[in-house]
Amino acid sequence: DAGITQSPRHKVTETGTPVTLRCHQTENHRYMYWYRQDPGHGLRLIHYSYGVKDTDKGEVSDGYSVSRSKTEDFLLTLESATSSQTSVYFCAIRGTGSRNEQYFGPGTRLTVT
Amino acid sequence: RKEVEQDPGPFNVPEGATVAFNCTYSNSASQSFFWYRQDCRKEPKLLMSVYSSGNEDGRFTAQLNRASQYISLLIRDSKLSDSATYLCVVNNWVGSARQLTFGSGTQLTVLP
Repeated sequence: DAGITQSPRHKVTETGTPVTLRCHQTENHRYMYWYRQDPGHGLRLIHYSYGVKDTDKGEVSDGYSVSRSKTEDFLLTLESATSSQTSVYFCAIRGTGSRNEQYFGPGTRLTVT
Repeated sequence: RKEVEQDPGPFNVPEGATVAFNCTYSNSASQSFFWYRQDCRKEPKLLMSVYSSGNEDGRFTAQLNRASQYISLLIRDSKLSDSATYLCVVNNWVGSARQLTFGSGTQLTVLP
């Protein structure tokens, strides 16, 4: 158990509304990541953080923003949700090993109608 | 071409069988490699790292062939509880950051 929680676990929202997903970790890990998972695709990196207030874009960052004001919390915001953002969102932390092993939270299932 | 390619399956095998999954990756500079396991509607969980010399963890054996850019996972004496999707994962440098690239997964069902 990597001590990662995500909230909400399920959400249904309407197109055009803002949505914020929260990832919380209890073990003071420096690196945190947001991925999305869709059928037929592997997990794809949206944004990541390498410290408080330090973030960078991943492969599929368009339409998403992130913030990290505390080590333990990493927020993902969809400023104006679209149906193409219906997905399962996973947060991850980098473990303490040297190989970039990552450990995942339980996921948030988001549906945009 | 996808960066990490896996046969999606499904693989349906009887209990006790040996099953092998393969994966190819496109970036010859990839540094480290993993197999993750994902149960239905759950998060991916690290199954094992893959080392150049090959490595074993109980019934699971992972192999890496850097020349062919090929990774494999062998499961011996399959159990019902091995039913899951197995994700091949490769770690690369993207700019100044290390990032994981995931295959789409291979689905395994172990039948009684």
